[in-house]
Amino acid sequence: DQQVKQNSPSLSVQEGRISILNCDYTNSMFDYFLWYKKYPAEGPTFLISISSIKDKNEDGRFTVFLNKSAKHLSLHIVPSQPGDSAVYFCAASGNYGQNFVFGPGTRLSVLP
Amino acid sequence: DTEVTQTPKHLVMGMTNKKSLKCEQHMGHRAMYWYKQKAKKPPELMFVYSYEKLSINESVPSRFSPECPNSSLLNLHLHALQPEDSALYLCASSTRQFVEKLFFGSGTQLSVL
Repeated sequence: DQQVKQNSPSLSVQEGRISILNCDYTNSMFDYFLWYKKYPAEGPTFLISISSIKDKNEDGRFTVFLNKSAKHLSLHIVPSQPGDSAVYFCAASGNYGQNFVFGPGTRLSVLP
Repeated sequence: DTEVTQTPKHLVMGMTNKKSLKCEQHMGHRAMYWYKQKAKKPPELMFVYSYEKLSINESVPSRFSPECPNSSLLNLHLHALQPEDSALYLCASSTRQFVEKLFFGSGTQLSVL
């Protein structure tokens, strides 16, 4: 039973437009969420995080929105660049000491 | 230095071989992790060391044996693996267990023949 879901396996976006990657979770105990980016043959790289006391966190071109009632978060990338093409993983954890659970990932392709 | 270094990058081994994966970080992190990632799947936690003590073993088969010789090093000893163990093995570290973001190495791509 997947506790963290990313229902879109892939997404294609034109350069300069907005990319929106979605993540849903089922465990109401999750209270800390992260997004990672992964290029082929490399380990995941941390992008941005959000805790459940916030509903938005912004870092440059990346913004994460959290809707706790819907158990949904999204990552917005504006403007999208070809270098953003990668697999994006959503991860969640809850309560001190619990491990991060990763979603299956969404492959983003930004077309020039 | 914000890197987690894993060696080797690629490993091919037979089912009767014994090999080891190595991971090193010099960020002063006190939590280190082994994850396993199969193709097109998310990383799955295997082991966590916190302050050089094994704190979590996610019911991993005994053919995988972790070791943390000191706060900068993490090893994964492999013995009598099965072909289904072929995967990308990722090491990660964090300032302390699970509270902070994880820093990942680039992984060891393991093939068991």
